[in-house]
Amino acid sequence: DAKTTQPTSMDCAEGRAANLPCNHSTISGNEYVYWYRQIHSQGPQYIIHGLKNNETNEMASLIITEDRKSSTLILPHATLRDTAVYYCIAADYNAGNMLTFGGGTRLMVKP
Amino acid sequence: DSGVTQTPKHLITATGQRVTLRCSPRSGDLSVYWYQQSLDQGLQFLIQYYNGEERAKGNILERFSAQQFPDLHSELNLSSLELGDSALYFCASSVYGGGQETQYFGPGTRLLVL
Repeated sequence: DAKTTQPTSMDCAEGRAANLPCNHSTISGNEYVYWYRQIHSQGPQYIIHGLKNNETNEMASLIITEDRKSSTLILPHATLRDTAVYYCIAADYNAGNMLTFGGGTRLMVKP
Repeated sequence: DSGVTQTPKHLITATGQRVTLRCSPRSGDLSVYWYQQSLDQGLQFLIQYYNGEERAKGNILERFSAQQFPDLHSELNLSSLELGDSALYFCASSVYGGGQETQYFGPGTRLLVL
């Protein structure tokens, strides 16, 4: 799986959009970009995933650049409950079925 | 709630002992994954089972073993426990379809080895 690079930490004001960047410059054509988050020591929570096109669900939006070398997860109206570690993962399930977690971004939403 | 259940939530044991962690996947999911999260190693993949068969292996120690039963629940057995085995153990389940799939994680078992 391609290596991903994320900032170690970010702050966001409550009610504002949180934009979390991820670089995956070596991503292959078969690899999807997945986002998970982990609140305290709870199990990682699936947020969203995409291949080429931008995706949106009830939790977030995922913007993938045209060259697929980077992506941004957008939480449109961050709340205190969104404080968590966010993981960006590039995964090719045809090549192996495990998720490779990096260090992630620790997002702190502040009042 | 992901639909994946794990028991027990907490486990405290002594070095040299053996423990069994249990995971029930979401209804309909055939694939179960086990991950370990320790303070110094982050989240690491251990092993995957699909419909009762071992499918992939990661950084799983020889002292650890797993299996998936006909009802699709899975157990992770940890033996000859060492202090360094203290960690959070998560299982995840998915419908294995190749190409893309989404893993849903359980709440984890916190293991403390004293």
